[in-house]
Amino acid sequence: AQKITQTQPGMFVQEKEAVTLDCTYDTSDPSYGLFWYKQPSSGEMIFLIYQGSYDQQNATEGRYSLNFQKARKSANLVISASQLGDSAMYFCAMREFNTGNQFYFGTGTSLTVIP
Amino acid sequence: DTAVSQTPKYLVTQMGNDKSIKCEQNLGHDTMYWYKQDSKKFLKIMFSYNNKELIINETVPNRFSPKSPDKAHLNLHINSLELGDSAVYFCASSRKWRADYEQYFGPGTRLTVT
Repeated sequence: AQKITQTQPGMFVQEKEAVTLDCTYDTSDPSYGLFWYKQPSSGEMIFLIYQGSYDQQNATEGRYSLNFQKARKSANLVISASQLGDSAMYFCAMREFNTGNQFYFGTGTSLTVIP
Repeated sequence: DTAVSQTPKYLVTQMGNDKSIKCEQNLGHDTMYWYKQDSKKFLKIMFSYNNKELIINETVPNRFSPKSPDKAHLNLHINSLELGDSAVYFCASSRKWRADYEQYFGPGTRLTVT
């Protein structure tokens, strides 16, 4: 089974609008961390935001917030007030604390911000 | 100053050759990783070292051999290169081995095997 599922291969959003990128995960480990990374066309991977499985509140980092729904095993990334520079691939990732500390990445969502 | 650097950025070589990719981090992190990103952008972990000790050794051909001379360096040597090895290889580091530390990635090395 896929550990991380990103069902939106491509998304479009109007500049200044908010957009939600979906991510669901699969784990039986009660302790895990969820990450979002951005990969612009230049190729580098940039860390955006982190959510721990025991965190009570949804993580926020500037215009990024993580909509964490533990029972549904979803960790959607919300980008508010989209900017042209947000156009990139976005990867959701998970790391399990107790099961070998493996790092699993989703297949990514390509976001295009339209002026 | 670049936090995680890789050399070379581009590598074009012929099948059967042996090549190395070097990675250095100046963040004082304990843990380093190698990832392979294929043409469909799928990222897969290959190896991980914590304090110079091999921790993760995914199912990769044994033509791939990592070497960590010290905590700040993790090199990847590939023997007998094959066409299917063409990909972008990313080095990354994290402060500790623990799962709640994010990884900092290098700029990637685009390997093309002809």
